[in-house]
Amino acid sequence: DQQVKQNSPSLSVQEGRISILNCDYTNSMFDYFLWYKKYPAEGPTFLISISSIKDKNEDGRFTVFLNKSAKHLSLHIVPSQPGDSAVYFCAASRGYNFNKFYFGSGTKLNVKP
Amino acid sequence: DGGITQSPKYLFRKEGQNVTLSCEQNLNHDAMYWYRQDPGQGLRLIYYSQIVNDFQKGDIAEGYSVSREKKESFPLTVTSAQKNPTAFYLCASSPPRGAANNQPQHFGDGTRLSIL
Repeated sequence: DQQVKQNSPSLSVQEGRISILNCDYTNSMFDYFLWYKKYPAEGPTFLISISSIKDKNEDGRFTVFLNKSAKHLSLHIVPSQPGDSAVYFCAASRGYNFNKFYFGSGTKLNVKP
Repeated sequence: DGGITQSPKYLFRKEGQNVTLSCEQNLNHDAMYWYRQDPGQGLRLIYYSQIVNDFQKGDIAEGYSVSREKKESFPLTVTSAQKNPTAFYLCASSPPRGAANNQPQHFGDGTRLSIL
């Protein structure tokens, strides 16, 4: 049973516009959420995270929003650039002594010039 | 430069053979992980290790084995018992999670295993 879900396998956006990637989770015990970016044949690279005590975290063009009541988080990229084209994974973990993460299936973002 | 090194990048295996994927990190991280990625799917946890000489099964451990004799190294063996071993394998590491210090996992660049 998948505890973290990304229901949109792909997203296409025009350069300069906003990209919004969505992620839903089922386990209310999750308290730490992350987004990773992955290029083909490479490992995921950490992008941005948010703790459950916050509802927003911003880093440059990237903002993650967390809605705990809806068990939903989203990643906003503004403005989108062609170099942002990649697969984006969301991940979640809960309050144990180490970081066991649960990953979504990924959303492939294509930013068109 | 600190990081995680996975080798080889591409690996081919004949049916019935065991193969070992290497993962080395110089980040001084305590925890290490192995994931498998299949097309259109997320990362699925195979094994993880919190400290040296200790490791735990993840969600899809059948047909795999690991060892953690050194902090820096966490090799994964894909045994002949793994029915569908063709996949992209990712190794990751992370420091211990403190009460107020959430830390992301850091990933290697992966090994693609194919069956001949």
